[in-house]
Amino acid sequence: DQQVKQNSPSLSVQEGRISILNCDYTNSMFDYFLWYKKYPAEGPTFLISISSIKDKNEDGRFTVFLNKSAKHLSLHIVPSQPGDSAVYFCAAQFSGTYKYIFGTGTRLKVLA
Amino acid sequence: GAVVSQHPSRVICKSGTSVKIECRSLDFQATTMFWYRQFPKQSLMLMATSNEGSKATYEQGVEKDKFLINHASLTLSTLTVTSAHPEDSSFYICSAQYQETQYFGPGTRLLVL
Repeated sequence: DQQVKQNSPSLSVQEGRISILNCDYTNSMFDYFLWYKKYPAEGPTFLISISSIKDKNEDGRFTVFLNKSAKHLSLHIVPSQPGDSAVYFCAAQFSGTYKYIFGTGTRLKVLA
Repeated sequence: GAVVSQHPSRVICKSGTSVKIECRSLDFQATTMFWYRQFPKQSLMLMATSNEGSKATYEQGVEKDKFLINHASLTLSTLTVTSAHPEDSSFYICSAQYQETQYFGPGTRLLVL
């Protein structure tokens, strides 16, 4: 039972345009959400997070949106850069714990 | 800040031997560390939660006698894969909790022949 899903395994975007990565979850006990970026054979790097009491959090080129009623979050990267090419994982944290459940990942390719 | 290291970065061993992987938080103390496993082109699967000074909490389906976890200090957790078999070959990643976020090590590639 995949509680956190990223339905798009891959995404290609032109440099300078917006990249939108999506994530859906099923468990209403999640109260904190994060996005990580990962290169092959490396550990994930933390990008941005959002608490369930918010619907938007912005950090530079990265913005995360949370729609609790739809159990959906998205990561917007604008403008996209070739260095953003990587696999992006969303993660959801259970309320009252530090435990994360990761999505399946979306491979982003930013074309120069 | 919030740097996590792992050692070794890759290891090849013979079937039946044991392998120890170290995870260190370099610039912070971590009461809680986590061990994940990632199969090719798949997500990170949580194996266990490691708490300093107490027994690890294993996820369902993870054999605690197979994957021994020790968190003896606030900066070091170790994962020992005992009697390794080829099906244990994988990418193992640790993370350490710092404030509200987990910070990940670079991972260890284990190949069991």
